Amino acid sequence: AQKITQTQPGMFVQEKEAVTLDCTYDTSDQSYGLFWYKQPSSGEMIFLIYQGSYDEQNATEGRYSLNFQKARKSANLVISASQLGDSAMYFCAMGLSGDMRFGAGTRLTVKP
Amino acid sequence: NAGVTQTPKFQVLKTGQSMTLQCAQDMNHEYMSWYRQDPGMGLRLIHYSVGAGITDQGEVPNGYNVSRSTTEDFPLRLLSAAPSQTSVYFCASRGLAGSYNEQFFGPGTRLTVL
Repeated sequence: AQKITQTQPGMFVQEKEAVTLDCTYDTSDQSYGLFWYKQPSSGEMIFLIYQGSYDEQNATEGRYSLNFQKARKSANLVISASQLGDSAMYFCAMGLSGDMRFGAGTRLTVKP
Repeated sequence: NAGVTQTPKFQVLKTGQSMTLQCAQDMNHEYMSWYRQDPGMGLRLIHYSVGAGITDQGEVPNGYNVSRSTTEDFPLRLLSAAPSQTSVYFCASRGLAGSYNEQFFGPGTRLTVL
């Protein structure tokens, strides 16, 4: 069964510091994609970063990087230099052919 | 290029009423899907489509019907609404099979069933 697990319901980080949001996944497929989305209080889903299962290098997008450890089936999101505007829900997701599964999310709060 | 559009933005139904949530995309994407998001939870897949005339069930399909007569449109039908279907509904689309491009999400429809 395909499953995504986010074990941190809530996280706090001081402004300008880095934070890691955890994500583990379970699949028997060899080909899949891992995604992170941000959902601010306004409700829209904002794509942040993507990692393919065959990509050897960790993905980076500006202040976001994905720490991909395939053998451990983990895909943690690292946000560097946190900003107040980073306060939001963050969802990890796994994309398979024709399907996408989401974790329950982590609520990140950035403190000034 | 409007991306993924959803109508209505808000809807209140009474138990037993039927309605259709509309979703359209102008990116010529093959894949379209519907998710629901309950309070404090992640998105769960209801139905998806890999092209016109082809649909399949996701995690939570019961109580919902879909059809895909065109590439652009993917409506979601609630035949007899129940309070358990109170949720925020997101439509999404993405590109070619085998390339895991990010999905593009619509703005969501907030549905309340009384």
